[in-house]
Amino acid sequence: AQTVTQSQPEMSVQEAETVTLSCTYDTSESDYYLFWYKQPPSRQMILVIRQEAYKQQNATENRFSVNFQKAAKSFSLKISDSQLGDAAMYFCAYPPRLSETSGSRLTFGEGTQLTVNP
Amino acid sequence: DTGVSQDPRHKITKRGQNVTFRCDPISEHNRLYWYRQTLGQGPEFLTYFQNEAQLEKSRLLSDRFSAERPKGSFSTLEIQRTEQGDSAMYLCASSLYYNEQFFGPGTRLTVL
Repeated sequence: AQTVTQSQPEMSVQEAETVTLSCTYDTSESDYYLFWYKQPPSRQMILVIRQEAYKQQNATENRFSVNFQKAAKSFSLKISDSQLGDAAMYFCAYPPRLSETSGSRLTFGEGTQLTVNP
Repeated sequence: DTGVSQDPRHKITKRGQNVTFRCDPISEHNRLYWYRQTLGQGPEFLTYFQNEAQLEKSRLLSDRFSAERPKGSFSTLEIQRTEQGDSAMYLCASSLYYNEQFFGPGTRLTVL
């Protein structure tokens, strides 16, 4: 069964500093997407960044970037210049199968609660 | 684009009652997903639709749960004979085929 593991239940960072959240996954697929979602307290889940497995280049979205290590099945999220608004639960997610005709339900990790200290 | 909406946002019910939740996806999205999230955990997949067809159901979706998407637009999730273990946040998401999923705000269910 495909699994997603986030080994850091909680992380904290000082405002303006950099923090890295870890994620590992297990799959037998060769082509897939990986996602990081952010869920602020009592607010809805939003997509932070996605990585396509066939791309060697790591995805970047403003202050958010990933370190994708396909062979190691590792997908970490780096947040640079952390802001108070970055405080949230972060989930790594992976769709077990990906094609135009099959489902793309997401399997989520357990989450990492990020605290940003002023 | 008004995003994914869910109604109600909160529902308190007594054990044994039936409840129904509604999800309105982003209008051009053909896929709609239901997830359940308990406190401090990641969401767990329940079921998904492509247009009006329900294509996949999780083993988490017991016989007391039923979902519909009658015209390929909005969807409803019904729980019959609710149990305390059903208390959770029920999330709806939509996507255009296998692209990224956009989530709604969720319906928080409390079963007393």
